[in-house]
Amino acid sequence: DAGVIQSPRHEVTEMGQEVTLRCKPISGHDYLFWYRQTMMRGLELLIYFNNNVPIDDSGMPEDRFSAKMPNASFSTLKIQPSEPRDSAVYFCASSFRIGVVGNTIYFGEGSWLTVV
Amino acid sequence: GQQLNQSPQSMFIQEGEDVSMNCTSSSIFNTWLWYKQDPGEGPVLLIALYKAGELTSNGRLTAQFGITRKDSFLNISASIPSDVGIYFCAGGAAGNKLTFGGGTRVLVKP
Repeated sequence: DAGVIQSPRHEVTEMGQEVTLRCKPISGHDYLFWYRQTMMRGLELLIYFNNNVPIDDSGMPEDRFSAKMPNASFSTLKIQPSEPRDSAVYFCASSFRIGVVGNTIYFGEGSWLTVV
Repeated sequence: GQQLNQSPQSMFIQEGEDVSMNCTSSSIFNTWLWYKQDPGEGPVLLIALYKAGELTSNGRLTAQFGITRKDSFLNISASIPSDVGIYFCAGGAAGNKLTFGGGTRVLVKP
């Protein structure tokens, strides 16, 4: 069974450029999460969706960040314009409803973003 | 917001040793999860706990969901070199959100 698939795995871009990160959740999962990981702040939840609808975007840093989920099998996280402080690893994760025995959140391998 | 304090922040292990780490919170959680992250990879689930007082093992790993629902610990028995990595606790509350601890970095004693 395929896990959460993210692309690109690595991206280096210049400040001011648009960055688009992509995610395919595990088939059947109805929750999708975007996390950001940095040394200073650890793992931070940016936004999550339930049944393709954004539920909580309180973790999105600022208006330069946007996320969409046009269907159950695809989501994007976009940064426009990118800045060096956006350099981080961005993880996508998916799940059924947690708190139910057997349900948990599964992570992709991450997109490693460097903005120079 | 909810905060998770994970300790220790880092530890050195020698092969064969038992190691312990824990997470505490001022808030109550309904679910506790423990993940391990290897360099260049995403976090991988080790153990999931769904009920206060629950004690669960997965091979050499044992984790417990604290009775107060505000803490959890993870033990690794007879550590081996591949146990090196970063271990994260995560607490789940209403709304399907997880709050992550800061991680425990497990390193091999030189």
